Amino acid sequence: GQNIDQPTEMTATEGAIVQINCTYQTSGFNGLFWYQQHAGEAPTFLSYNVLDGLEEKGRFSSFLSRSKGYSYLLLKELQMKDSASYLCAVRETSGGYNKLIFGAGTRLAVHP
Amino acid sequence: DVKVTQSSRYLVKRTGEKVFLECVQDMDHENMFWYRQDPGLGLRLIYFSYDVKMKEKGDIPEGYSVSREKKERFSLILESASTNQTSMYLCAIQRGLAGVGQYFGPGTRLTVT
Repeated sequence: GQNIDQPTEMTATEGAIVQINCTYQTSGFNGLFWYQQHAGEAPTFLSYNVLDGLEEKGRFSSFLSRSKGYSYLLLKELQMKDSASYLCAVRETSGGYNKLIFGAGTRLAVHP
Repeated sequence: DVKVTQSSRYLVKRTGEKVFLECVQDMDHENMFWYRQDPGLGLRLIYFSYDVKMKEKGDIPEGYSVSREKKERFSLILESASTNQTSMYLCAIQRGLAGVGQYFGPGTRLTVT
């Protein structure tokens, strides 16, 4: 079956670093995505990992270990505007089609 | 810029009504998806389409149907709305079968009373 776990809520201080973890169990793994979603808005694509290792994109980095079924999103130099939900999603290939399976999301609150 | 539009941001319907949610894209992407998002459950896939007149069931298709008569438009239909279909509905598009990332529309918050 499919199972994606991430913490429900996290808090952090402006200027700090925060790591949001995601663990997954799925068949037909074909990539892992992170999305950011501000309250009342649509999710926006942040990062994509298909091979093990770290992908860096500015203040945001994402790490994947396929053998451990584990990923994290690292946010550096936190800003108030980073307060949002962060969604971990696994792309699964099944029946010749690709589907995204989403975790419930981690709500991050950044405080001054 | 990728543009995905949905027909309404907020919608209130009565139990038993037939409801149409429209999604239109201007990116000529083949793949379109309908999700619903509920607190604590995340996004769940209702239906998707990889081509005109083609549809595939997602993880929670019960109570829904879809229509894709033109490449740019993907409609979600609630045949007889029920209160447990009160949710945020999100449309997404993706380029190709292995496209990196899906792009989402602004969402429709549907309330069924």
